Amino acid sequence: EAGVVQSPRYKIIEKKQPVAFWCNPISGHNTLYWYLQNLGQGPELLIRYENEEAVDDSQLPKDRFSAERLKGVDSTLKIQPAELGDSAVYLCASSSTRGPSSYNEQFFGPGTRLTVL
Amino acid sequence: GDSVTQMEGPVTLSEEAFLTINCTYTATGYPSLFWYVQYPGEGLQLLLKATKADDKGSNKGFEATYRKETTSFHLEKGSVQVSDSAVYFCALSSLYGQNFVFGPGTRLSVLP
Repeated sequence: EAGVVQSPRYKIIEKKQPVAFWCNPISGHNTLYWYLQNLGQGPELLIRYENEEAVDDSQLPKDRFSAERLKGVDSTLKIQPAELGDSAVYLCASSSTRGPSSYNEQFFGPGTRLTVL
Repeated sequence: GDSVTQMEGPVTLSEEAFLTINCTYTATGYPSLFWYVQYPGEGLQLLLKATKADDKGSNKGFEATYRKETTSFHLEKGSVQVSDSAVYFCALSSLYGQNFVFGPGTRLSVLP
C-alpha cells in the first residue's frame, strides 16, 4: 500500500512569490490534514478536511494561505505571497475515521521543506 | 485548550542504556495518547498508542503507560540502539481522533 505522497520535497523561493504544495493521501482515507512544522518544534495543524469539506481551518492564516481538496482525494496548499517566516516543513497526513476504532492513526507524508529567501 | 509537554532534549545516551522521555498532557475529556517518531529526512511514524487509562502501548521494545492520575504518558525502552536515534513526539487526540496536538519533540542521539 502506498503511503502519503507529497511534492515537491524541497522548494526554495524568494519572498512575495507564490508557492503550492500537493498531497495525495492513502487510498480510502477520508480525513486529510495539513500541518506546519517549524525547526525544533512539533507539527501544528493548519487545516483538516473530512472528504472535501474543510472542517477545521481555524489556524490557517487566511490572508495568504489557501487550501483545497477537490473530489475529496488530493489536496493543494498554497501560499501567496510567501514571507520569510513561512520557511518551515509542511506536512500532510491522512486517516480513516471509518471503522470500529474512534481514535484513528494518522499517516504522515515526508513533508515539503520550504525556504523563503 | 489541549496541550502536551515533553522533556527538553537533546538526550544523548550510550548504546544499551535505559531511556525515559517524559510526557504530560492537559486535555478535556479522555484523550487518546500517542508517541510518534521521526527519523532524519522522513515523515512522522506512529510508534505506539494508548486509548484509555492504564493501557500500555508497546512497539519495537518501547513502552508507555497511560496514567490518568498523573496525566502522563512517559516513553521507556530498556536498551537503546544506535538506530533509535530520532526525534520523538508525544501527542494526544481528542474528539474521536479529529483534534491532534503534538508536543515539541525530544531529539535522541544514541552513541555506539
